[in-house]
Amino acid sequence: EAQVTQNPRYLITVTGKKLTVTCSQNMNHEYMSWYRQDPGLGLRQIYYSMNVEVTDKGDVPEGYKVSRKEKRNFPLILESPSPNQTSLYFCATSDWGVIWGEQFFGPGTRLTVL
Amino acid sequence: AQTVTQSQPEMSVQEAETVTLSCTYDTSESDYYLFWYKQPPSRQMILVIRQEAYKQQNATENRFSVNFQKAAKSFSLKISDSQLGDAAMYFCAYRSPSYNTDKLIFGTGTRLQVFP
Repeated sequence: EAQVTQNPRYLITVTGKKLTVTCSQNMNHEYMSWYRQDPGLGLRQIYYSMNVEVTDKGDVPEGYKVSRKEKRNFPLILESPSPNQTSLYFCATSDWGVIWGEQFFGPGTRLTVL
Repeated sequence: AQTVTQSQPEMSVQEAETVTLSCTYDTSESDYYLFWYKQPPSRQMILVIRQEAYKQQNATENRFSVNFQKAAKSFSLKISDSQLGDAAMYFCAYRSPSYNTDKLIFGTGTRLQVFP
């Protein structure tokens, strides 16, 4: 089954404690992205990757890091989380293949930073 | 820069009736892709329908259809024969055709309530 998985699904942490949210896909897609969703703001892109070892900033990259060492994985790293990073995070994948432009989303990770 | 606007924070509809959700966007590109995503209480993002800007014909998927007005930069979603399971947050999104970016630009969403 084609899917995008994220772990953990829920996380409560404290300010300054480094954390990583993992994202993995089994669809062999080239493109992967991270979004955050906040009430009244919709979803905003944090970072994206067009291929292994190729990453670029989205609209709200401050406070986040990413890496793409393997095609299937695209972890999101918060080195020193702050309360304003409390949000719902989505990983998404796409490919310029059959379904041109569509992004497939993971189930989301609810992060609370105290 | 492209923007997407959803001016209806909340809408409601009676079961079996029809409802239309509005979306407008701003872009200087002539070719692009538009999407409607549904987000039920499970929070999963589910693609409802997509429209390629170069296509004149409005997209349709079962009870869901769009009214795409390219000149007016409008992309509304019509849900016919509404069902209780249609209750969700709906997001309109824009995507550039460029291979150098992988960004969906989202509107702020419309929460749809369906009453029995």
